[in-house]
Amino acid sequence: AQTVTQSQPEMSVQEAETVTLSCTYDTSESDYYLFWYKQPPSRQMILVIRQEAYKQQNATENRFSVNFQKAAKSFSLKISDSQLGDAAMYFCAYTPLWSNTGKLIFGQGTTLQVKP
Amino acid sequence: EAQVTQNPRYLITVTGKKLTVTCSQNMNHEYMSWYRQDPGLGLRQIYYSMNVEVTDKGDVPEGYKVSRKEKRNFPLILESPSPNQTSLYFCASSLSGTSSREQYFGPGTRLTVT
Repeated sequence: AQTVTQSQPEMSVQEAETVTLSCTYDTSESDYYLFWYKQPPSRQMILVIRQEAYKQQNATENRFSVNFQKAAKSFSLKISDSQLGDAAMYFCAYTPLWSNTGKLIFGQGTTLQVKP
Repeated sequence: EAQVTQNPRYLITVTGKKLTVTCSQNMNHEYMSWYRQDPGLGLRQIYYSMNVEVTDKGDVPEGYKVSRKEKRNFPLILESPSPNQTSLYFCASSLSGTSSREQYFGPGTRLTVT
């Protein structure tokens, strides 16, 4: 079965500092996508970053970057220069490349607190 | 503006009273899904649709129905809601095929069943 695990229910970071959120996944597929979604108090699901498994280069989006370790099935999110607006719940998600369901498999979520 | 809309945003109802949550997208997406979000469980897929008149069960379909009569609309129907269906519900849509697989989410519907 394909699963995604986020082992940190809550994290906190001081404003302007760096924090890393962990995610591991289990799959027998070799081609897939991985995502990090942000859910602020408004509840809207916002795509933060996407990684294609066939790409060895780690994805980056401004202050957000990932450390993708395919062999270890690990996909962590690093937030640099944390801002108060980064406070949210973050979800890691997986989908196989060859899927006919359109399904994203989500982790349990990590609530990030940013301290001023 | 490309978007997925859901209505209502909040709903409080009683056990057994049929309800429908509507979902509509304006991006001509083939795929649409319904998810429910529960604390400690993340989001789980309830039902999905690959195109008009093509729907199938996701991971937690019990107690729900869906229909896809038009490409843009994908309503979620709870014919006899129970308290264990109290949850946050999201509709999502995406393009078919092996594209970026990005899913666009609606704003969510907070449902409480008493």
